[in-house]
Amino acid sequence: DVKVTQSSRYLVKRTGEKVFLECVQDMDHENMFWYRQDPGLGLRLIYFSYDVKMKEKGDIPEGYSVSREKKERFSLILESASTNQTSMYLCASSSLDRNYEQYFGPGTRLTVT
Amino acid sequence: GDSVTQMEGPVTLSEEAFLTINCTYTATGYPSLFWYVQYPGEGLQLLLKATKADDKGSNKGFEATYRKETTSFHLEKGSVQVSDSAVYFCALTPRRDTGFQKLVFGTGTRLLVSP
Repeated sequence: DVKVTQSSRYLVKRTGEKVFLECVQDMDHENMFWYRQDPGLGLRLIYFSYDVKMKEKGDIPEGYSVSREKKERFSLILESASTNQTSMYLCASSSLDRNYEQYFGPGTRLTVT
Repeated sequence: GDSVTQMEGPVTLSEEAFLTINCTYTATGYPSLFWYVQYPGEGLQLLLKATKADDKGSNKGFEATYRKETTSFHLEKGSVQVSDSAVYFCALTPRRDTGFQKLVFGTGTRLLVSP
C-alpha cells in the first residue's frame, strides 16, 4: 500500500520559533508538494519539487522554505513562525507522468501561539 | 487565472438519498478535471477523473461528467452511505503544452450522511 507519512499530526509552537515539518513517501515518486489547508480557502500550494535538490515556488511561498536532499523526503521550514501560519499542512507526492494523481499524507495541524 | 468553484457545505443527507455536489470551473483551453475525497483524519485521495469533454469518471458508485458547454463537473451518487461522510474537493489541471501542470483545488464541500 502506497504511503505518505508526516512527522507529526499535531504541533504547537511559539511565535518566532523555527519549525520543521517532515514528509516521507515510499513510492519512489519524483514530485513532492506542500499545501496548506484553511477553511473556506481550500488547498493552496506552498512549494513543490520535481527532483532532488530542485524546488519551485507555489502560490503562497512567503514565510516558508523547503529542502529536498533525498528523493523520498521533502521538508517544509518556517524560519520564524507567526500566528497567521496556524493551519493544516498537507504533503503530497506524485509520479512524473501522472502529476494529477497526488497521494497525500494525513496532515500536520500546526498551531502558532 | 484558472479556478474551481464548489457549492458551500455542509451538505446533510439521510442514508440512501441522492447526492449532487456542484462544481464549475474557469480555465483556458480544455483542462483535465478531478474529484478528490478527504475522509476524517486522513489525507486527500483521488476519487475519479475526466480528461476531455463528455468523459464520465466513475468510482465507488460516484460519477461526474465533463460538460464543456456549461464548464461543470458535478459529482453524483445515487444512494449515499454513512461511510461517504467526508470532504469532497473538485480540482483541475490546466492543459498546457509545456511546463509543470499543477492541480488547482476548489474550497471543498463537506458531506454529512446520517443513518
